[in-house]
Amino acid sequence: EPEVTQTPSHQVTQMGQEVILRCVPISNHLYFYWYRQILGQKVEFLVSFYNNEISEKSEIFDDQFSVERPDGSNFTLKIRSTKLEDSAMYFCASSFFGVGTEAFFGQGTRLTVV
Amino acid sequence: KNEVEQSPQNLTAQEGEFITINCSYSVGISALHWLQQHPGGGIVSLFMLSSGKKKHGRLIATINIQEKHSSLHITASHPRDSAVYICAASNFGNEKLTFGTGTRLTIIP
Repeated sequence: EPEVTQTPSHQVTQMGQEVILRCVPISNHLYFYWYRQILGQKVEFLVSFYNNEISEKSEIFDDQFSVERPDGSNFTLKIRSTKLEDSAMYFCASSFFGVGTEAFFGQGTRLTVV
Repeated sequence: KNEVEQSPQNLTAQEGEFITINCSYSVGISALHWLQQHPGGGIVSLFMLSSGKKKHGRLIATINIQEKHSSLHITASHPRDSAVYICAASNFGNEKLTFGTGTRLTIIP
């Protein structure tokens, strides 16, 4: 069964460092998403991506964040200068058709900023 | 902005019991999603529904569009059903999901 894969599963980084979280969405899907879940809180939307551009982003997704689909298979989330409050589980998801279609989630990357 | 609320926040039950988890939302949606999150953190999609009822094995999901309410039922619950169950709404006009806070279900053998 096709699945969304994320790497790494856990990343520890020092405050101020750049991190790149990687995702391989399901191959025929067209919409890609990043969500995050701070420990003990609900999952929050960060950004959606379609046709090689951001289609929507939340208030959380400020200038420190960027997304890219560099090679037609990977989908990456970059945090330029990490802060302690960026510590969270980051989930990548993909769906075939966006609104009202099922989203498939990766296993998540646990980011710890120290 | 859609507000998605779930109840209860925590639920402990004996193996074999019938389980109901509730979800309500504040504005009209294009679809309601039920998701399962295991202790390791990964999220699995269980159902997506926009009307009526869906069944998969021992899991049943229903939605009442007029009342803006959905329920997830588990029949003959088993310890392996222990997880966090999350409902999430997708709204007309955008692709993102708005998540509820989740219900932590523990089934005791």
